[in-house]
Amino acid sequence: GEDVEQSLFLSVREGDSSVINCTYTDSSSTYLYWYKQEPGAGLQLLTYIFSNMDMKQDQRLTVLLNKKDKHLSLRIADTQTGDSAIYFCAERPFGSSNTGKLIFGQGTTLQVKP
Amino acid sequence: DAGITQSPRHKVTETGTPVTLRCHQTENHRYMYWYRQDPGHGLRLIHYSYGVKDTDKGEVSDGYSVSRSKTEDFLLTLESATSSQTSVYFCAILDGLGNTIYFGEGSWLTVV
Repeated sequence: GEDVEQSLFLSVREGDSSVINCTYTDSSSTYLYWYKQEPGAGLQLLTYIFSNMDMKQDQRLTVLLNKKDKHLSLRIADTQTGDSAIYFCAERPFGSSNTGKLIFGQGTTLQVKP
Repeated sequence: DAGITQSPRHKVTETGTPVTLRCHQTENHRYMYWYRQDPGHGLRLIHYSYGVKDTDKGEVSDGYSVSRSKTEDFLLTLESATSSQTSVYFCAILDGLGNTIYFGEGSWLTVV
C-alpha cells in the first residue's frame, strides 16, 4: 500500500545545513510536497516537486528527488532557530492526481540549537 | 493563506454529543479536504469534496460525515463524539492550477 516514512527527529546547530529525508512507496506519485508546522499552528507549504524533476531550489531550500530509490530530501541551508518546527513530507499518488489526496509521513521534528 | 478559515478553532465537548466543524474558503476552489492529525500518524484524510454535494470518503471516515451545500463551505460532523476523535482537524483546498494544496489553521477538538 501507500506509505511515507520519515525519521522522527533531527538536531542541528544554528548556521549548519539540515537534511530531512523521506521515503515513499508509490513510484507513480505525481507530486511530492514539504510542509512546515510550528507549534500550535497549521501546515505551511514550503515547496513541492513534480515527479519529472530531480531537483528544485528555492532560496535556502533544496529538494532532491531520487525516483529510482523513491527517496526525497529537503536541505535547509544556514539553518536558523526560526526553522525549528515539524516538517512533513507528503506524496500525491497517481491515482489521486485529479483529486489531490495526499499521503503524509509522520513528520520530522527539527531542533536548532543556538 | 489561500483564504481558508476554520471554526471553531478550539472546542471541548462531551462524549456522545454531536460536533460540527466548519471550513470556509473565499476563492471558489473546487476541491476541499478534511484531515486529522494525531501523534505518530501524520495527517490522515477523513473526507473530501470535489464540488457542491459531491463528496467521497478518505482512509479514516468512520464516525464522520460531511456536507457541502455551497462552494465556499465544507462541514465536518461527528454525529456522536468519542474520545478517539480527540484530535486536530485541518481543512485544505487544492488550488486552481491543481498543483498546490493549502491548509487552514486547524481546529483543536477535545472529547471528554
